Amino acid sequence: DAKTTQPNSMESNEEEPVHLPCNHSTISGTDYIHWYRQLPSQGPEYVIHGLTSNVNNRMASLAIAEDRKSSTLILHRATLRDAAVYYCILRDSRGNYGGSQGNLIFGKGTKLSVKP
Amino acid sequence: GAGVSQTPSNKVTEKGKYVELRCDPISGHTALYWYRQSLGQGPEFLIYFQGTGAADDSGLPNDRFFAVRPEGSVSTLKIQRTERGDSAVYLCASSPSGGAGSYNEQFFGPGTRLTVL
Repeated sequence: DAKTTQPNSMESNEEEPVHLPCNHSTISGTDYIHWYRQLPSQGPEYVIHGLTSNVNNRMASLAIAEDRKSSTLILHRATLRDAAVYYCILRDSRGNYGGSQGNLIFGKGTKLSVKP
Repeated sequence: GAGVSQTPSNKVTEKGKYVELRCDPISGHTALYWYRQSLGQGPEFLIYFQGTGAADDSGLPNDRFFAVRPEGSVSTLKIQRTERGDSAVYLCASSPSGGAGSYNEQFFGPGTRLTVL
């Protein structure tokens, strides 16, 4: 079972910020929070990951709640190319939920639509 | 550099036939994963290779599915006696090393769309 909960879909306007939420109320202390996204007709691609502190990279920012039971992926200025399904995934640094060797466990993710 | 490639991009077959799907991982990546994605769902894990050996095949749905990676690079997913329910996109991913370390980013190929008529 996926250990995260995300909205099925969200809409955004081009060049506006987008905040994609993820709930993970059963997160353990050794779980990292990973985000992948899947553009239409492509395989998933890594976006960002974090443990406790907020993280920034060239693609996005990850804001992690103080109690770590939720997180938010932030796209600072959405473009049409950001339209994709975004997956929030927990990965135990010692092992993995349901998988012993690091395989990713995907839920249904959030389908982000970006309007021009 | 070259990413993960998968061939063919599309495969249409008839029920009961045998199919092979190929994955070329990023050069030097020791870990290789196969996933299957049905319409509207997230990818579902099938099998994981570390080098030449299958370290975890717990996701294979039944014994009609088999995968090999004889030289630790290219992998082939084999499906015998295909059924209509096998229709899906089959995704391959590789990572520099195996295991669940927090930095083991997985790099995915574009997938093979399998249609069983």
